[in-house]
Amino acid sequence: GAGVSQTPSNKVTEKGKYVELRCDPISGHTALYWYRQSLGQGPEFLIYFQGTGAADDSGLPNDRFFAVRPEGSVSTLKIQRTERGDSAVYLCASSLNEGGNSPLHFGNGTRLTVT
Amino acid sequence: GESVGLHLPTLSVQEGDNSIINCAYSNSASDYFIWYKQESGKGPQFIIDIRSNMDKRQGQRVTVLLNKTVKHLSLQIAATQPGDSAVYFCADNRYGGATNKLIFGTGTLLAVQP
Repeated sequence: GAGVSQTPSNKVTEKGKYVELRCDPISGHTALYWYRQSLGQGPEFLIYFQGTGAADDSGLPNDRFFAVRPEGSVSTLKIQRTERGDSAVYLCASSLNEGGNSPLHFGNGTRLTVT
Repeated sequence: GESVGLHLPTLSVQEGDNSIINCAYSNSASDYFIWYKQESGKGPQFIIDIRSNMDKRQGQRVTVLLNKTVKHLSLQIAATQPGDSAVYFCADNRYGGATNKLIFGTGTLLAVQP
């Protein structure tokens, strides 16, 4: 079946602009996670949703970052007033439920470059 | 975040040999551990996981060993193939609980020589 789908695969934007990154999780997966991966490092947790609500947003670096999942399926990560330091690969992952015996399945990410 | 630096440890093996990739964790509260494989330009791909009530788990050509005494995790790949070349990450739920809020290690680059 289809895996986690992220669009766009690449996004180049100018410093100060607003961007939206989209994630389509695996059908039926209730838990959705956003991670960020800088070059040469492992992914870092940003936020996760159980259903429509953000259950934990403690990884968001500041209030320029926001994410929504209004219908409990597709999620959008929104970054306002982008900075060059925001450049990274943004990974979305989903799991059947919140944890337990339900491992994360990742998409291929959106590579964001802020110039 | 936690990072060990930008230099990625590299393991170079001959095709057909067994590979062992090691990982250390620091928090005794971690009770769920996972290995991911990441190829260039792709997201991490789940390989195998293990809970703290086990010390060994086997999959197809892979085995994960957990030593809670020394907080050490290893991934063994049998008969390594060129397609196994990738960066391998261990991850754990350092915050505890039932979520997939994971902490990833820096990663190890596995290079398989034909």
